[in-house]
Amino acid sequence: RKEVEQDPGPFNVPEGATVAFNCTYSNSASQSFFWYRQDCRKEPKLLMSVYSSGNEDGRFTAQLNRASQYISLLIRDSKLSDSATYLCVVRGYNNNDMRFGAGTRLTVKP
Amino acid sequence: GAVVSQHPSWVICKSGTSVKIECRSLDFQATTMFWYRQFPKQSLMLMATSNEGSKATYEQGVEKDKFLINHASLTLSTLTVTSAHPEDSSFYICSANRGSDEQYFGPGTRLTVT
Repeated sequence: RKEVEQDPGPFNVPEGATVAFNCTYSNSASQSFFWYRQDCRKEPKLLMSVYSSGNEDGRFTAQLNRASQYISLLIRDSKLSDSATYLCVVRGYNNNDMRFGAGTRLTVKP
Repeated sequence: GAVVSQHPSWVICKSGTSVKIECRSLDFQATTMFWYRQFPKQSLMLMATSNEGSKATYEQGVEKDKFLINHASLTLSTLTVTSAHPEDSSFYICSANRGSDEQYFGPGTRLTVT
């Protein structure tokens, strides 16, 4: 079983749509959780951290369920510029203990 | 602006040759840098942790004699792929922390071995 699992997609949605991505992780000792965005042939960039209480940043909402070892990302009012691959990232106590999901590809169409 | 740079951004080499990739932290010192490899449509996989002034720590399954890491200064780590083979063709990305928890990734180096 992979340490971090994501639905690879692709998700093809029209502009303005709401889309949700899910992620599960296997290590119950994981400490920190993130969503990164990776554009084609580019490096990953931090989108947002994920907290147990849930957190929101503009159109993006992230949720964490430690009991179910499940993380989600909700994107509202999708923009063309949201098209990218979204990586679920789980970290232990140290930065050499980061585990990446394979990513979920999103394409927002006009 | 960029926080971590990599050079080259892409390289094509012949099988059996060696390739050196540089990772630099810009305007900050990084005692630790990380090297990742990403194959198409797959997740980033940590290869090794590069420690300034000491030996790198390699992840299980990564050959330390094939992937040589040197972290001679607080702003530069290098990864040398020795005797490269076509199966080494991949996207190599480095990262470093700048004070806070966030890891900053370099723009990556795309290696193609023919």
